[in-house]
Amino acid sequence: AQTVTQSQPEMSVQEAETVTLSCTYDTSENNYYLFWYKQPPSRQMILVIRQEAYKQQNATENRFSVNFQKAAKSFSLKISDSQLGDTAMYFCAFIGAGSYQLTFGKGTKLSVIP
Amino acid sequence: GAGVSQSPSNKVTEKGKDVELRCDPISGHTALYWYRQSLGQGLEFLIYFQGNSAPDKSGLPSDRFSAERTGGSVSTLTIQRTQQEDSAVYLCASSSTNWETQYFGPGTRLLVL
Repeated sequence: AQTVTQSQPEMSVQEAETVTLSCTYDTSENNYYLFWYKQPPSRQMILVIRQEAYKQQNATENRFSVNFQKAAKSFSLKISDSQLGDTAMYFCAFIGAGSYQLTFGKGTKLSVIP
Repeated sequence: GAGVSQSPSNKVTEKGKDVELRCDPISGHTALYWYRQSLGQGLEFLIYFQGNSAPDKSGLPSDRFSAERTGGSVSTLTIQRTQQEDSAVYLCASSSTNWETQYFGPGTRLLVL
């Protein structure tokens, strides 16, 4: 069974600064996908970024980028130029290739301070 | 609509009553999922539908929970004889196929009094 661990229950960052959210996972599979989802107070779970395990290049989406370390089973999210709208719960999630069940971490509550 | 929709947005019910939660997936998505998000428990998988195949119900917590998907599109999650521990946010997601990115709806917040 896969597990996903987010060791930072809460974090805060000053507006315009950079913050990194940590995620580690445990799996015996070689091919899988990793995701970061954002859940603001509106409850809508929004996809932030996706990484395929077979790709060595780290995924980036505008101000969001990941540091994917496959050997270490680490998948951190970096948010650059933090904005007030980034305030939300952030969930790291794992899915094995060919599977369908997402395994989520417990989440990190990020607050962006003006 | 472009995204996954769910109704109702909020539901308050009395212990022992039945409730139905509805999910309308993204058009063309063959895979549909239900998750439950409880305070302090994170997100747990409930059930998965893929096309016309038999659903995977392995995540349903008890036989009071059931779900169906009519015509390969809209899905209904039914909770019979609700209990207070059923209070949670119920999230629906859909994807174009089983391992592709899952897109979530806004959820239904259920409160059982």
